[in-house]
Amino acid sequence: DAGVTQSPTHLIKTRGQQVTLRCSPKSGHDTVSWYQQALGQGPQFIFQYYEEEERQRGNFPDRFSGHQFPNYSSELNVNALLLGDSALYLCASSLVLEETQYFGPGTRLLVL
Amino acid sequence: SQQGEEDPQALSIQEGENATMNCSYKTSINNLQWYRQNSGRGLVHLILIRSNEREKHSGRLRVTLDTSKKSSSLLITASRAADTASYFCATDPRGGATNKLIFGTGTLLAVQP
Repeated sequence: DAGVTQSPTHLIKTRGQQVTLRCSPKSGHDTVSWYQQALGQGPQFIFQYYEEEERQRGNFPDRFSGHQFPNYSSELNVNALLLGDSALYLCASSLVLEETQYFGPGTRLLVL
Repeated sequence: SQQGEEDPQALSIQEGENATMNCSYKTSINNLQWYRQNSGRGLVHLILIRSNEREKHSGRLRVTLDTSKKSSSLLITASRAADTASYFCATDPRGGATNKLIFGTGTLLAVQP
């Protein structure tokens, strides 16, 4: 039973560029949440997708957008990258009414 | 913004000793969860305690929750070198949709062999 997978594992971009991160949820899960974890900090909730719609959103600017596909996989897009967007981006999947989330290994983004 | 704060920020103990980490949070919650993270990698779910529960056990883990004080503690008994990791508490705030977790700042645990 495959767990949550994310790609790529590492990414280097320059300021102003755009990036797309991908997540495949654990088999059977229908809800995907994205978190940003800056170095030395706890993860911060970006947004959550269920039934291909953004269900709730954290305190992140519109430069952060996402998408969920019919197979429940998800993408996180960040436009106009800033140095401060450098972080570990974590995807978590769950069933919509269940409390436990399963996290992927993350994508480490470095913005130069 | 961070909901909770863990205390201490860092903890160093010897193998076989017990490790206790504390978490404080700000708002009413549905549940509180503890996660482990090794070397900046993905988070591993350890244990969940609901707002109407006071104590929960899982293997060498014991979690307590005091909703009147908005605090929780995680006890790891008979620690092992493999327990070396960062530990985070995360709350699921009441009134929101499920699984919008708000994480604390973490405790870095080092278990010396």
